[in-house]
Amino acid sequence: QVQLQESGPGLVKPSETLSLTCAVSGYSISSGYYWGWIRQPPGKGLEWIGSIYQSGTTYYNPSLESRVIILVDKSRNHFSLQMSSVTAADTAVYYCARQPYSGRDYYFDHWGRGTLVTVPS
Amino acid sequence: SYEVTQPPSVSVPPGQTARITCSGDALPKKYAYWYQQKSGQAPVLVIYEDTKRPSGIPERFSGSTSGTVATLTISGAQVEDEADYYCYSTDTSDNHRVFGGGTKLTVL
Repeated sequence: QVQLQESGPGLVKPSETLSLTCAVSGYSISSGYYWGWIRQPPGKGLEWIGSIYQSGTTYYNPSLESRVIILVDKSRNHFSLQMSSVTAADTAVYYCARQPYSGRDYYFDHWGRGTLVTVPS
Repeated sequence: SYEVTQPPSVSVPPGQTARITCSGDALPKKYAYWYQQKSGQAPVLVIYEDTKRPSGIPERFSGSTSGTVATLTISGAQVEDEADYYCYSTDTSDNHRVFGGGTKLTVL
């Protein structure tokens, strides 16, 4: 059974870079699938941040693309998120998830439990 | 940018049928997916590829689509089905992967 676990600092200062890692177990990232990041501000809805394939190919939400980098480390079976120049608006629970392909599009099947990142105002 | 639209809330008595809609211009060409999120928990996939149900999801959950509208139906809704439900889809260019704003389902 595939499992994902987010980790990283719970508090990031304004204007600094948020860095999170998603450790994958029960499945080798090298075997395929896209892997994605999603966030959810407190009391609000879900927002896709971006995704990466095992080859390193990435897709980002156009509204966040200028501040986001997603990397994959196949040797450690994990992938990571970096978001620069954060503000209080980036305060959210950040989830990582696996993305299978349906034949038409990619979706999220297995999710991590999420990690809260707070950026003080 | 692309958007999919859901009603903010739906309320049904226990045992009745709950229907949650999701509207999006690309839905005739792209699949709709539905996620259930209970308070303080990660989302769980309940419907994929418009109509399919993952293993472990009760049969009372079903999905359908007609034109630009996808619908999640919970037949005989139970109190434990109270949650936020999110529709997810993509636009035809695959550049925008979007979630709907979420629908809060109340069963009481």
